Amino acid sequence: QSALTQPPSASGSPGQSVTISCTGTSSDIGAYDFVSWYQQHPGKAPRLMIFEVTKRPSGVPDRFSASKSGNTASLTVSGLQAEDEADYYCSSNIGNHRYVFGPGTKVTVL
Amino acid sequence: EVRLVESGGGLVQPGGSLRLSCAASGFTFSNYWMGWVRQAPGKGLEWVANIRQRGEERVYVDSVKGRFTISRDDAKNSVFLQMDSLTAEDAAVYFCARWGVPAGLDIWGQGTMVTVSS
Repeated sequence: QSALTQPPSASGSPGQSVTISCTGTSSDIGAYDFVSWYQQHPGKAPRLMIFEVTKRPSGVPDRFSASKSGNTASLTVSGLQAEDEADYYCSSNIGNHRYVFGPGTKVTVL
Repeated sequence: EVRLVESGGGLVQPGGSLRLSCAASGFTFSNYWMGWVRQAPGKGLEWVANIRQRGEERVYVDSVKGRFTISRDDAKNSVFLQMDSLTAEDAAVYFCARWGVPAGLDIWGQGTMVTVSS
């Protein structure tokens, strides 16, 4: 099945912004507006941060925003805070209710 | 409180079987697709399987097709993952999750660990 690519790491100082990319193909990200992003702290379950490319679930701060262009989706965390330090995973529908996750990006707040 | 609680993980020998359970509470379970996602130690997330309302459709990642079976019991607000012919590559924390928004897993359990070793 298809694979998504993410940078292994990203970092920023408190208050700054960091953007994480998620690159797929015309069979996944490029084909569907069903991209989601998850945050995971060590030893914890993932938390949904973004769904349907740009939508934030209730309770997710508006510091988290996302977009998609072609086969690449992006997550931006603005006004970085210490609690934003975590692993971030993108996910895309690949048709017929099947999904694929990216390998994850570790965000470090300097 | 909306909640998912997994159980059934443990140590199993290669080639063995294990059945995971996930008990849901706090929402109308029968209205939702449900899924299983796993995470090998130190690795990323991997989607494993989904099941539609009333079990009308089941889909799997290629690596578990023919070995894993997802099922649900709406009367017991539970979803299950029967895992057969287990290999070391199946060792992971298995999370149960709800597809509560379009293409988004909005509620997750705490996970249950599966270890495959002789």
